[in-house]
Amino acid sequence: KQEVTQIPAALSVPEGENLVLNCSFTDSAIYNLQWFRQDPGKGLTSLLLIQSSQREQTSGRLNASLDKSSGRSTLYIAASQPGDSATYLCASGSGNTGKLIFGQGTTLQVKP
Amino acid sequence: DAGVIQSPRHEVTEMGQEVTLRCKPISGHDYLFWYRQTMMRGLELLIYFNNNVPIDDSGMPEDRFSAKMPNASFSTLKIQPSEPRDSAVYFCASSSWTGEDEQFFGPGTRLTVL
Repeated sequence: KQEVTQIPAALSVPEGENLVLNCSFTDSAIYNLQWFRQDPGKGLTSLLLIQSSQREQTSGRLNASLDKSSGRSTLYIAASQPGDSATYLCASGSGNTGKLIFGQGTTLQVKP
Repeated sequence: DAGVIQSPRHEVTEMGQEVTLRCKPISGHDYLFWYRQTMMRGLELLIYFNNNVPIDDSGMPEDRFSAKMPNASFSTLKIQPSEPRDSAVYFCASSSWTGEDEQFFGPGTRLTVL
């Protein structure tokens, strides 16, 4: 059974720092890996989707990488801003069904 | 497109009452997912549909939970009877015709069962 883990559970950084959020999964036979952002009391916003055949995806200041062999994905945020403060969730997709298994998330606080 | 629409946004009910949550997926999306989020268990998939047909309901916690998708633009998640431990945020998500695509989430329904 796939398990997804995110470390750390919480992170506080000063504005302007580059940071990395980690996601690990136990079953390397994933179909894709998706990163989401969740603001307090809100739904999830999709940030990046990496297919199993890809190594990374980029969107603006965000870069997500995928290493299936080691069971790891990272989300890199460049030049962090207070507006980046939120909970970031990763989820692994198994098979071609779209079924997602979520990690518990990393709550990020960027201090001005 | 308005995105995934869920109603109601908040629901407060008493134990034993029936609760019905509603979802309208993004037009043209063939997959619809129902998730539940709690502090203790995080986000869990309850059930998902493909072309209105339930494919996997292994995440549905008990027989008190049921879900339907009578057409491509509407789905319901029903809890009968509700219990305090059902209190959570319930999300609906949809994705397009293959499992390779992004899932787009609705704003969620925050359910409180007293």
